[in-house]
Amino acid sequence: DSGVTQTPKHLITATGQRVTLRCSPRSGDLSVYWYQQSLDQGLQFLIQYYNGEERAKGNILERFSAQQFPDLHSELNLSSLELGDSALYFCASSGKRGGSDTQYFGPGTRLTVL
Amino acid sequence: SQQGEEDPQALSIQEGENATMNCSYKTSINNLQWYRQNSGRGLVHLILIRSNEREKHSGRLRVTLDTSKKSSSLLITASRAADTASYFCATNSGYSTLTFGKGTMLLVSP
Repeated sequence: DSGVTQTPKHLITATGQRVTLRCSPRSGDLSVYWYQQSLDQGLQFLIQYYNGEERAKGNILERFSAQQFPDLHSELNLSSLELGDSALYFCASSGKRGGSDTQYFGPGTRLTVL
Repeated sequence: SQQGEEDPQALSIQEGENATMNCSYKTSINNLQWYRQNSGRGLVHLILIRSNEREKHSGRLRVTLDTSKKSSSLLITASRAADTASYFCATNSGYSTLTFGKGTMLLVSP
């Protein structure tokens, strides 16, 4: 158990819909990262927050957004969903800003868009 | 875009044998990390090796890093059926984000 929790575990929705994925980092970790894992693209970094502020951005679509709240939990919002958004979405957390350190991954949310 | 590329894509061995997986990357790094993922589940951190280190051990795991060749290898000794999983290398290049390879699927048969 990494100490990172993600909800929900599974999400099935239709194209055009909007969903919110939630992540609670390990106790004391200030950084939260979001990754998308799909069969064709592999594991892709989406976005990082550190102590409530956006720190780094990766291959995140404009239809996707995230935020980190004062209690350090984070939410990833996916809107106008397309079939290709079906994937595993992982959240990870770490303690340091500069982050040459270990990231601890949650169990993931499996999103299926029908 | 993928930074690391693991080789082989899939590996099948018997329990007790050693498993070696390789990772190549393209740009300079601060550190390289190896993760394990059991089917469809979360990633588990195995080991981190910094750019100024050449070899690191953790239990049955041995990782080497050759920055001149931009490559790393993960050796699992005396493999067990429970080692069956996908193994990913991930590089860190200054910011805290990790860039993952596509992984090696390891199957260890009893």
